[in-house]
Formats: sequence, C-alpha cells, structure tokens
Amino acid sequence: SQQGEEDPQALSIQEGENATMNCSYKTSINNLQWYRQNSGRGLVHLILIRSNEREKHSGRLRVTLDTSKKSSSLLITASRAADTASYFCATIDLYGNNRLAFGKGNQVVVIP
Amino acid sequence: GAVVSQHPSRVICKSGTSVKIECRSLDFQATTMFWYRQFPKQSLMLMATSNEGSKATYEQGVEKDKFLINHASLTLSTLTVTSAHPEDSSFYICSARALRDRPDQPQHFGDGTRLSIL
Repeated sequence: SQQGEEDPQALSIQEGENATMNCSYKTSINNLQWYRQNSGRGLVHLILIRSNEREKHSGRLRVTLDTSKKSSSLLITASRAADTASYFCATIDLYGNNRLAFGKGNQVVVIP
Repeated sequence: GAVVSQHPSRVICKSGTSVKIECRSLDFQATTMFWYRQFPKQSLMLMATSNEGSKATYEQGVEKDKFLINHASLTLSTLTVTSAHPEDSSFYICSARALRDRPDQPQHFGDGTRLSIL
C-alpha cells in the first residue's frame, strides 16, 4: 500500500528559481527518502532524512520533515534545466517493514 | 558504485508470450531485490520482494503464477511475465539493496523495462 503521498503537482518554473514540493504520509516512519526519475528511466536516490531529524541539506537540496504532521518538503534551489524530472518521496515504516512505500510524485519542468 | 543493470530496456511482443526481465547488481552483492510496476504518470507499486535463495514475497493482489521471480544468486534476480496480455503492458523497475547496507538504507534502481504486449 502507498504510504507516502505528495500533493499531486506539476511545477513549471524558470531556470534559476526555486522549486518546492511536498509529501505526506500515514504511518510512523523510520526514515523518508526522496528520489528523482527522469522520463522513462529508473530512480535515483537524492536524500534520506531520519525520523529524528527535522532538516537536511545536500548541495542545492533541502529537505524538511515534520513527524507531527506526517509531512516532508523538498526544496531545490537555483533550479537548472537538468532538474526537469519527476520527484517521489518514499517512506520506510517504523515497524520492521523495510519496503519502500512511494508517493504519487511531482513532475517538475525547468524552463531554460 | 552500486550500479544496477536491468535488461532488456524495451520489449514488444505478441499476446501469449512469456517475457523474462533480468536485474543485475554489477558491483555489489544484493540479498534483496525488489520489483515494481509503474503505469504512465503514476507512482511505483511494489510487486514483490526477492530474496536470494528463498521464495519471493508477493504483495497483495499480485499473481505469483503470472509474475515468476527467481533470485538464484547474490547478483541476479529475474522476473518472468508468463503468458503476457495487453493489460500487462507497463514499465517494470527493479531495485536492489546491498548486502552491506542496513535494511532501511536507500535502494539502487535499474533503468526499467518498458513492456508492450500487442
């Protein structure tokens, strides 16, 4: 069953702008992960945030996690055309189930 | 490191044909591999978890006899879609978890197989 669920979004932004996308989930989690998928390709892991963390940075990526609201956000700063992709959050739940549960995804288009 | 190769990348075949998809971990050993299915503009749905040397664990609603999974070595898992029909057309993606990684670590994904049944 799908645990992570993003607000379905299709973002279209200009290069250089920031892109923000959100994710909500239902269960208690061990961690939450963000992945990128280019069209017709597999997924690439971007960043992992643990349930006891509130914010994490990696390069131009910033992830926040609010376990009280069961939500996360991914911010891509200074977007580039190469950031055009679909972005998925996925959760690992807390109770020994180490399978990833994916949300619906956000399609981001960065216009050069 | 942590490269997963999936083959073939695209298959077009007639209804009734059985199709085998391979998922290989090229530079690491993987005791666990996962098979997902993705419909256009939708998310990934986990079909089954493949464990080396044991039977796969299928998700609810996934037919075991339809989607045969074999994980005979620490670097190879195969998914066979038996007697495929047009409704089986989809994008199939595998992922692997490295033996050295904790179970909650990120998975490494193949590039997917686009299956089209005519």
